[in-house]
Amino acid sequence: GQQLNQSPQSMFIQEGEDVSMNCTSSSIFNTWLWYKQDPGEGPVLLIALYKAGELTSNGRLTAQFGITRKDSFLNISASIPSDVGIYFCAGQLNHNRKLIWGLGTSLAVNP
Amino acid sequence: SAVISQKPSRDICQRGTSLTIQCQVDSQVTMMFWYRQQPGQSLTLIATANQGSEATYESGFVIDKFPISRPNLTFSTLTVSNMSPEDSSIYLCSVTSGGPIDTQYFGPGTRLTVL
Repeated sequence: GQQLNQSPQSMFIQEGEDVSMNCTSSSIFNTWLWYKQDPGEGPVLLIALYKAGELTSNGRLTAQFGITRKDSFLNISASIPSDVGIYFCAGQLNHNRKLIWGLGTSLAVNP
Repeated sequence: SAVISQKPSRDICQRGTSLTIQCQVDSQVTMMFWYRQQPGQSLTLIATANQGSEATYESGFVIDKFPISRPNLTFSTLTVSNMSPEDSSIYLCSVTSGGPIDTQYFGPGTRLTVL
């Protein structure tokens, strides 16, 4: 099935560093979502973006909906050990609400 | 956001048997979905659970293998039938509450291992 191009695939950083990951698509989306999944858990919604150009923050997390509606990025500032996990982007097609998923970015934080 | 629970949280099953997974939501929701997440992979939509009618399956998934029920607006089940080791995955229930802006929220998942 269709998938988003999410990069990087994995990251290993030092505590306190900033992190950036992004997703791109050949298709236009009306909604971009960013989720985090901890081991053994379901994905948890971090940020939802509904308008092209929208920039939204949730604590140390900031995400943007690209102007072209074909991309989005997620930034994490001043990373901490509990940021460890897999981050997924997802694009949503309004007409049927089906989510198209990226392959995930695995984040490891060295204390 | 809705609070979603799944039962069982994990199970180990023998080849050829079937397992029914339950998804319970603490409020009425418009849409319920079932996903599969194979080890180290992203999420794959199995089907949309429709209240009072047959589920809508995605390409590659069929009702005989993954029968789904949704008797009301807060509950759904997914059965994994005639299991094989290839069915070992995390199965996730998700919901949306509808309206002009809706986002999907996920249950904790059911980790299935088939021997």
